[in-house]
Amino acid sequence: DGGITQSPKYLFRKEGQNVTLSCEQNLNHDAMYWYRQDPGQGLRLIYYSQIVNDFQKGDIAEGYSVSREKKESFPLTVTSAQKNPTAFYLCASRAGGFTEAFFGQGTRLTVV
Amino acid sequence: AQKVTQAQTEISVVEKEDVTLDCVYETRDTTYYLFWYKQPPSGELVFLIRRNSFDEQNEISGRYSWNFQKSTSSFNFTITASQVVDSAVYFCALRTYSGGGADGLTFGKGTHLIIQP
Repeated sequence: DGGITQSPKYLFRKEGQNVTLSCEQNLNHDAMYWYRQDPGQGLRLIYYSQIVNDFQKGDIAEGYSVSREKKESFPLTVTSAQKNPTAFYLCASRAGGFTEAFFGQGTRLTVV
Repeated sequence: AQKVTQAQTEISVVEKEDVTLDCVYETRDTTYYLFWYKQPPSGELVFLIRRNSFDEQNEISGRYSWNFQKSTSSFNFTITASQVVDSAVYFCALRTYSGGGADGLTFGKGTHLIIQP
């Protein structure tokens, strides 16, 4: 089945730790995205990548980092510099142009 | 800059009632696309519809229908004869040709729809 897989579904982080959220797609999509969702808020764009080995900051990139070494994979690292990382993180991909984005099931990150 | 406004934070109706979710957008671009997504409690966003700025025809898909009006910059979503399974958060989103400086979709804050049995 084609789709987007995010792991883990739940993640707990201690203060001062970096954590990496995984996102893998087998849709052969060029573009991939990371969004953050907070309660009662819409989705805010963290980073996006339109092609392998290239990525761009979104609206709230501070405290996050990404890599795009393979077309299928777009991991997100939440660094200790992110002061309020507790949120729901969604990964998406799309084929390009004005096509719709497809989303993974999300990772809920909690700082303990 | 673009913006999507979903003024209804939460709507609660009784099953079988019709319900309309409002979406108002702002953009200076003449070429753009509008989207609706459904987010059930599981968290994954499910794509419902895409509409481009040159196509103002309304669309119906089963119990779902969409009314796109450029004159009022609105793209409203109606569920007819609502069912409990329709309970979810619904997001309206906008993508313009220019991208507003950053790629990706501009989302509204969502409307939490509660269908009571």
